[in-house]
Amino acid sequence: NAGVTQTPKFRVLKTGQSMTLLCAQDMNHEYMYWYRQDPGMGLRLIHYSVGEGTTAKGEVPDGYNVSRLKKQNFLLGLESAAPSQTSVYFCASSDRHSNYGYTFGSGTRLTVV
Amino acid sequence: QQPVQSPQAVILREGEDAVINCSSSKALYSVHWYRQKHGEAPVFLMILLKGGEQKGHDKISASFNEKKQQSSLYLTASQLSYSGTYFCGTDSGNTGKLIFGQGTTLQVKP
Repeated sequence: NAGVTQTPKFRVLKTGQSMTLLCAQDMNHEYMYWYRQDPGMGLRLIHYSVGEGTTAKGEVPDGYNVSRLKKQNFLLGLESAAPSQTSVYFCASSDRHSNYGYTFGSGTRLTVV
Repeated sequence: QQPVQSPQAVILREGEDAVINCSSSKALYSVHWYRQKHGEAPVFLMILLKGGEQKGHDKISASFNEKKQQSSLYLTASQLSYSGTYFCGTDSGNTGKLIFGQGTTLQVKP
């Protein structure tokens, strides 16, 4: 099993450019999440989804949009990138109940210049 | 609101013990613990549900005090492989979403 796969692994954007990060999971998990990780701040929840076709805001949703058209995929979009969005982005998935842990992808390192 | 972890950093010698605490201002349904090695993704360690249970495997265990809204992670007889950053994640309402603490960096030296 591949688990959770994120693409791309690295990306450099110019301020104002847009991009989409793709997360794919093959574990038939209901829940999927996008977090960003910055030094000293832990993992902060951007958006999450509790099932196909649903999305909800997390702690730091501004400047990001998401879509979950298929159960196995969760897309994170940056419409107009800003230097403050320089970060490492992690996607995760979990089963329907919080009795089970998250499986994380390997991360995307994004730099906005 | 983000749970608070303490201490922020710990340095140990092999074989020593450590305790990492996680405290929340909200009532908790569950607490997760994860370990992250440098440059890698966080890896799930264990989950504790409300009811005050204690869990463990190998020499890593955890407790959950629902009334105090706190959880503690215990690492005994630490090994070099325990080095990394430990995060607690809390779920306040069985929502499935976790809010993570800022992390505790553990370094185990020979």
